[in-house]
Amino acid sequence: AQSVTQPDIHITVSEGASLELRCNYSYGATPYLFWYVQSPGQGLQLLLKYFSGDTLVQGIKGFEAEFKRSQSSFNLRKPSVHWSDAAEYFCAVGAGEGAGGTSYGKLTFGQGTILTVHP
Amino acid sequence: NAGVTQTPKFQVLKTGQSMTLQCAQDMNHEYMSWYRQDPGMGLRLIHYSVGAGITDQGEVPNGYNVSRSTTEDFPLRLLSAAPSQTSVYFCASSYRQGNSPLHFGNGTRLTVT
Repeated sequence: AQSVTQPDIHITVSEGASLELRCNYSYGATPYLFWYVQSPGQGLQLLLKYFSGDTLVQGIKGFEAEFKRSQSSFNLRKPSVHWSDAAEYFCAVGAGEGAGGTSYGKLTFGQGTILTVHP
Repeated sequence: NAGVTQTPKFQVLKTGQSMTLQCAQDMNHEYMSWYRQDPGMGLRLIHYSVGAGITDQGEVPNGYNVSRSTTEDFPLRLLSAAPSQTSVYFCASSYRQGNSPLHFGNGTRLTVT
């Protein structure tokens, strides 16, 4: 069964500082990987996704993530955090190519990391 | 472009009451799903559907029923509400392709007293 671990429940950074949110996954083959962001009282918005190819993927709002197969990781990074980035971030894993039609969309989410940004 | 619409936004139930959470999408997505979000547990899949007339259980299906009579709608029914079902519920949809990301509604916050 697939699983996702986000080791950090809560991270605090200063505005302008760099950010890295950790994500480790468990999946038998090459998975589809996603990062979502959730602002208070809102649904989840897709930041970026990895399916195949280049292991460094760019997303919206200046975020990027790197897929490292050897470490089973998909960490999210941003070089300079803005106050508006304060939110909860979720890493998710889904069945990869060839897994079968009924597997698609069945994402498994991590526990989430709450990001606080100090001015 | 409405995307995924969930109603109601908030609901309070007494133990034993029943209700239906509504979800509709206008993107012609084949795949629809329901998640519940609880603090420190991320989102957990309740039920999902890969097309009209086809539904299946996710990770935490007990106490919930679903049906999919149309492509657009995927209601979630609580037959006899319990305090353990106090949660925030999200509906999501996507194309039935592995590289199609989920689109989420804004959630329904349910409290069972």
